[in-house]
Amino acid sequence: GAGVSQSPSNKVTEKGKDVELRCDPISGHTALYWYRQSLGQGLEFLIYFQGNSAPDKSGLPSDRFSAERTGGSVSTLTIQRTQQEDSAVYLCASSLGKGQGLHNTEAFFGQGTRLTVV
Amino acid sequence: LAKTTQPISMDSYEGQEVNITCSHNNIATNDYITWYQQFPSQGPRFIIQGYKTKVTNEVASLFIPADRKSSTLSLPRVSLSDTAVYYCLVGDSGDTGRRALTFGSGTRLQVQP
Repeated sequence: GAGVSQSPSNKVTEKGKDVELRCDPISGHTALYWYRQSLGQGLEFLIYFQGNSAPDKSGLPSDRFSAERTGGSVSTLTIQRTQQEDSAVYLCASSLGKGQGLHNTEAFFGQGTRLTVV
Repeated sequence: LAKTTQPISMDSYEGQEVNITCSHNNIATNDYITWYQQFPSQGPRFIIQGYKTKVTNEVASLFIPADRKSSTLSLPRVSLSDTAVYYCLVGDSGDTGRRALTFGSGTRLQVQP
């Protein structure tokens, strides 16, 4: 597609349930990032992928959070045993990988998945 | 990680020029300065990037002094649709990791009619 696609756009889940959030990056972008943004707050870094590997997982808030990326493309962020404090907009971004150009800090963001834990 | 400091909020009126300054005293030699814009309920969008001096595109200008310890995003003749949060980022153009995309608190710009 032309841009970063995230699904679902909205997700309401009950406390304690597991959820999976999907991100389809721009074709050819090897770098992929997950962030979350609580209402009125800034972007909190979660995890970064370069290809299928995740050199930086330091932002994951707890072991209930995990992410994977397969085929250097689609990524899934999984939250197990969701809690109310997990409610936020989860944003995915992709960019060209290292050595692909001078301005590879230009990242393209999806519209996000709004997660509500009730 | 080079830390950035921006004003929390700014107010302006339609047709005025708006300048948002970001401080990044610990900027490294290889770091570029990048600005993003975020509208409510949307993901951030790249506006402009520069290394030194002045960069201009169809949306904004970016002024970077010789010491590169700060930068100023200039939005000419703002309109109501420029109401958004503006983020200043500092990172190595050769690094696509967290260091390149660490967002601060941003500046919330409110444009009044």
